[in-house]
Amino acid sequence: DVKVTQSSRYLVKRTGEKVFLECVQDMDHENMFWYRQDPGLGLRLIYFSYDVKMKEKGDIPEGYSVSREKKERFSLILESASTNQTSMYLCASNPSRTGVTGELFFGEGSRLTVL
Amino acid sequence: AQSVTQLDSHVSVSEGTPVLLRCNYSSSYSPSLFWYVQHPNKGLQLLLKYTSAATLVKGINGFEAEFKKSETSFHLTKPSAHMSDAAEYFCVVSEIDSWGKLQFGAGTQVVVTP
Repeated sequence: DVKVTQSSRYLVKRTGEKVFLECVQDMDHENMFWYRQDPGLGLRLIYFSYDVKMKEKGDIPEGYSVSREKKERFSLILESASTNQTSMYLCASNPSRTGVTGELFFGEGSRLTVL
Repeated sequence: AQSVTQLDSHVSVSEGTPVLLRCNYSSSYSPSLFWYVQHPNKGLQLLLKYTSAATLVKGINGFEAEFKKSETSFHLTKPSAHMSDAAEYFCVVSEIDSWGKLQFGAGTQVVVTP
């Protein structure tokens, strides 16, 4: 079975704290993604990576950064958490580098609350 | 540019009755279209996808969707709802060469009553 694992299901942090969200996939996929999910807004792409050490901004990158040091691991970093970053964060991976297969494999999500 | 509109934010159906979730898209090129389902506290799972083959696409769990280019629609249907179909459903569009970048609709919450 394909597996995308997000290390923390629920986190509570304080404003100004640095937050790390970790994601690991065991499918040898080239592409990895971080989405943010908010009610009524669907999923919005924060960052994606198509290779180790490569990253591209998505639609809402402000306030976030990412790291991909190994192919299987993609980390989302909130340098200084703010209350408007309270949300559900979903990691996904995809095996295609060219063209589109469309099927993303998702983790179960990390629900972050910033107080 | 691509975009997708799910016409209903909530749909309530009785068990055993048909389900219809409506989706309209906008795309500059021939799009790929998808439906994903998210059960409570879970990640998203692919239900079905259209990638320019047959316009009627069959997916998992008895769902199907029809691509209608003239109407720019990709509505999701199921003949008979089951309690386990209660979930949130997302219509998604992607354009060729977008490297897997997908545009998600806002989602439709489906409630199934006994």
